[in-house]
Amino acid sequence: AQSVTQLGSHVSVSEGALVLLRCNYSSSVPPYLFWYVQYPNQGLQLLLKYTTGATLVKGINGFEAEFKKSETSFHLTKPSAHMSDAAEYFCAVSYTGTASKLTFGTGTRLQVTL
Amino acid sequence: NAGVTQTPKFRVLKTGQSMTLLCAQDMNHEYMYWYRQDPGMGLRLIHYSVGEGTTAKGEVPDGYNVSRLKKQNFLLGLESAAPSQTSVYFCASYRGGDVDTQYFGPGTRLTVL
Repeated sequence: AQSVTQLGSHVSVSEGALVLLRCNYSSSVPPYLFWYVQYPNQGLQLLLKYTTGATLVKGINGFEAEFKKSETSFHLTKPSAHMSDAAEYFCAVSYTGTASKLTFGTGTRLQVTL
Repeated sequence: NAGVTQTPKFRVLKTGQSMTLLCAQDMNHEYMYWYRQDPGMGLRLIHYSVGEGTTAKGEVPDGYNVSRLKKQNFLLGLESAAPSQTSVYFCASYRGGDVDTQYFGPGTRLTVL
C-alpha cells in the first residue's frame, strides 16, 4: 500500500531562517506529489505539486520542493521564514488511474519565532 | 464563484443521532471527496464520487453513507453517530485529468457526545 511519511510533527524556526519540512513516500509506481497548507480553522490550500517534468517545483508564498525519485522524497523548503508561514503543512500523494484519491501524511506544524 | 462550500460549519450531536453534511461545488467538477481530519492522523478519505450517481468507499467508510444525486452536491450521512466520529470533515472536488488539483471546502467541525 502506498504511504506518506512526514518526519517531525512539529518544527520550530526563527524568522528569517531556512524552512525544511520533510516528506517521503513509498510506492512502486510514479507518484503525483502535493504540499498543502492549513491555517488555523481553515481548509487546505495547495502550495505546490509535482506531476511530471521538472523535478524542482516552485509554489506560492516562496515555497519550493524537489522530487527525488532515488530517495523517494519531496521535501518542502523556503529560504527565509516569515511569521505568516506558521501553519500546518501536509504532504500528499496520488497516482494515475486511482480517481486522484489523495493519501496524506500526518502533517507538520510549523512554528515561527522572533 | 464560491468554489467548494460546506454546510453546516459546526454541529454537536448526541450518540445515536443522525445528520447529513452537505458539500456543494460550482466549478462543474466531476470528482468529489469526503475526508476526515483527526489530530496526528492527517486527512483520511471516507468516500468519493467520480461522477453524478456514483459513489465508492475510501479508506475509512464504516459508519458513513454518501449520495451524489446532482453533480454539484455530495452528501455525507451519519445514520447513528458515535463519539469516534468526532472530527473535522472536509469535502473536496476535482475537475479530472492528472495535472489538476483537488479544491477543499472550509470544513465542518462535528462533535458527538
